[in-house]
Amino acid sequence: SVLTQPPSASGTPGQWVTMSCSGSASNIGTNSVSWYQQLPGTAPRLLIYRNNQRPSGVPDRFSGSKTGTSASLAIGGLRSEDEGDYYCAVWDDSLSGVVFGGGAKLTVL
Amino acid sequence: QVRLAEFGGGVVQPGESPRLLCSASGVTFGSYGMHWVRQAPGKGLEWVALISYDGSDKYYADSVKGRFTISRDNSKNTLYLQMDSLRPEDTAFYYCAKDWGHCSGGNCSHFEYWGQGTLVTVA
Repeated sequence: SVLTQPPSASGTPGQWVTMSCSGSASNIGTNSVSWYQQLPGTAPRLLIYRNNQRPSGVPDRFSGSKTGTSASLAIGGLRSEDEGDYYCAVWDDSLSGVVFGGGAKLTVL
Repeated sequence: QVRLAEFGGGVVQPGESPRLLCSASGVTFGSYGMHWVRQAPGKGLEWVALISYDGSDKYYADSVKGRFTISRDNSKNTLYLQMDSLRPEDTAFYYCAKDWGHCSGGNCSHFEYWGQGTLVTVA
């Protein structure tokens, strides 16, 4: 993938966990990042847009940030229902299209 | 409440040319850019195509460029994906997704709402 995400993350209930998304100047370095949660057997759901904005209905324990050519998603107060796959996405100026990270599987131990 | 529903999936043979539809409700459809995103079984998300709010701008992933065509009919609140020259590697769940903006000029990657997806199996 054009965007690099570590394939897995884990934590225990109540903990904080952070996931990273690494790109380049033509994508994260220039444009805003969004994050998606995909629970098993369901369609993806928007968690974060414009790097750090939460849509209505998304709890404030989900937060996003961006620095240079990397972005991060943080989840606080981890719950078992947070288990699933998480993807970052951004527009790439060189490709004139959207690129997704490979996804990170979150396990709540 | 925004609802997106995809139709047209199924089992197709290589080389066939099915068309997917996405019907939208609960939204001013003609004001927003729309995407198709696919996901091969057990794999990650792959963006396929984007169309601007009025259909004037279209963008495609390299993997489908020249074979797939995205279009929309704002009078019918419907998005389309014409898929030509299908290959086994096109097998995937195909999702339509509404963007946050109008997407004229591109630079759109905020998928605000998603359909439940339709499975296309090329075999």
